[in-house]
Amino acid sequence: DIHMTQSPSSLSASVGDRVTITCRASQSISTYLHWYQQKVGKAPKLLIFGSSTLQSGAPSRFSGSGSGTDFTLTISSLQPEDFATYYCQQSFSRPYTFGQGTRLEAK
Amino acid sequence: QVQLQESGPGQVKPSGTLSLTCTVSGDSISSSYWWSWVRQPPGKGLEWIGEIYHIGTTNYNPSLQSRVTISVDKSQNQFSLKLDSVTAADTAVYFCARGAQAIVGISDLWGQGTLVTVSA
Repeated sequence: DIHMTQSPSSLSASVGDRVTITCRASQSISTYLHWYQQKVGKAPKLLIFGSSTLQSGAPSRFSGSGSGTDFTLTISSLQPEDFATYYCQQSFSRPYTFGQGTRLEAK
Repeated sequence: QVQLQESGPGQVKPSGTLSLTCTVSGDSISSSYWWSWVRQPPGKGLEWIGEIYHIGTTNYNPSLQSRVTISVDKSQNQFSLKLDSVTAADTAVYFCARGAQAIVGISDLWGQGTLVTVSA
């Protein structure tokens, strides 16, 4: 299985901050890396797929980059509705695997 | 508007079988999508369980493969999950999801999730 590691595991930030979350794969996954946002008690919501393509309806303040083993999710200016947990996921090979999550909290 | 809704017992006894159904509304389950199950133990991360294509092709997580079956019922526009020989470690919120057509392996539409507790 491909192991996905996110850092940090938790993060405190303020509205308006620029936030970056990192995801590392245990082997190269090209750009088969995707990001989800999950709010408490809700299903995950796809934000970015293929490392950098913004899902329809996702705000443009979200962006993604990377290829191979190292990837980042950036929120350019944090909004109140962005406090949530973020997961990366690889679909390079089955079983599809997720990172452990990054919890983004208000400072 | 396409929606997915999980249903099934909220509690299963240890060594029993967990059975859940996902009803798809607003689209045909015979459309060219992969339909998936993902679970999340309380307070923990996401685990991919497996997927099925409308023609019946399945892929399972090897960690669960010996215990899991995913099937499609086209007449009811549903797909289902069965997990045998459950233990407390199978207690989780179970989500059904639709695979995105852009890239295999990602889910762009999810059900709300249903909590299944394994307990006597």
